[in-house]
Amino acid sequence: GAVVSQHPSWVICKSGTSVKIECRSLDFQATTMFWYRQFPKQSLMLMATSNEGSKATYEQGVEKDKFLINHASLTLSTLTVTSAHPEDSSFYICSASFGGRYLNEQFFGPGTRLTVL
Amino acid sequence: AQSVTQPDIHITVSEGASLELRCNYSYGATPYLFWYVQSPGQGLQLLLKYFSGDTLVQGIKGFEAEFKRSQSSFNLRKPSVHWSDAAEYFCAVGAGTGTASKLTFGTGTRLQVML
Repeated sequence: GAVVSQHPSWVICKSGTSVKIECRSLDFQATTMFWYRQFPKQSLMLMATSNEGSKATYEQGVEKDKFLINHASLTLSTLTVTSAHPEDSSFYICSASFGGRYLNEQFFGPGTRLTVL
Repeated sequence: AQSVTQPDIHITVSEGASLELRCNYSYGATPYLFWYVQSPGQGLQLLLKYFSGDTLVQGIKGFEAEFKRSQSSFNLRKPSVHWSDAAEYFCAVGAGTGTASKLTFGTGTRLQVML
């Protein structure tokens, strides 16, 4: 149980285009989903927190107009990188949390490698 | 604000040797502490967690960690390392309670295992 998937697992795009990354909780309803960014050989940095049906809360320094987050249902959150540039190339990881016995835990997806040419 | 320090960027051990990865945290309230492992190009797998109770927690793959409040530490240990343990290890502290708890990660420790 508590499986989180991401799609695509990797994507290459041209500079100036937009890319959408999906994060799905497969066997549970996620109250909250999180989006992280990880540069090579570095730690995970939280970008934003999203709850179903409400606007995402972005961390300081994260451009909300560039990284659009939509949490349309309890099992799906999407991250859209708009007008991507090479500096947006990174590993993007989502996680999801729900209540019950797994209160305070996050379950992580496998990540999406974005390369912007 | 909470923070996590992993002093060792890179550790190399021989297969079969014991392992200890250090983690120090800073958080004003009772922390929720986690250790995750990440293989190259993969997501994070939870090794173990501490919320309350027994300060020595057991995890998967033979790992354990001990919470020491007086030292603000949550070090990860394994008595005998296997070659498949080579990976990146992250310590994290959870802030707040409930499903919206944010995680703050340390910078990670890369474990190399010599055969």
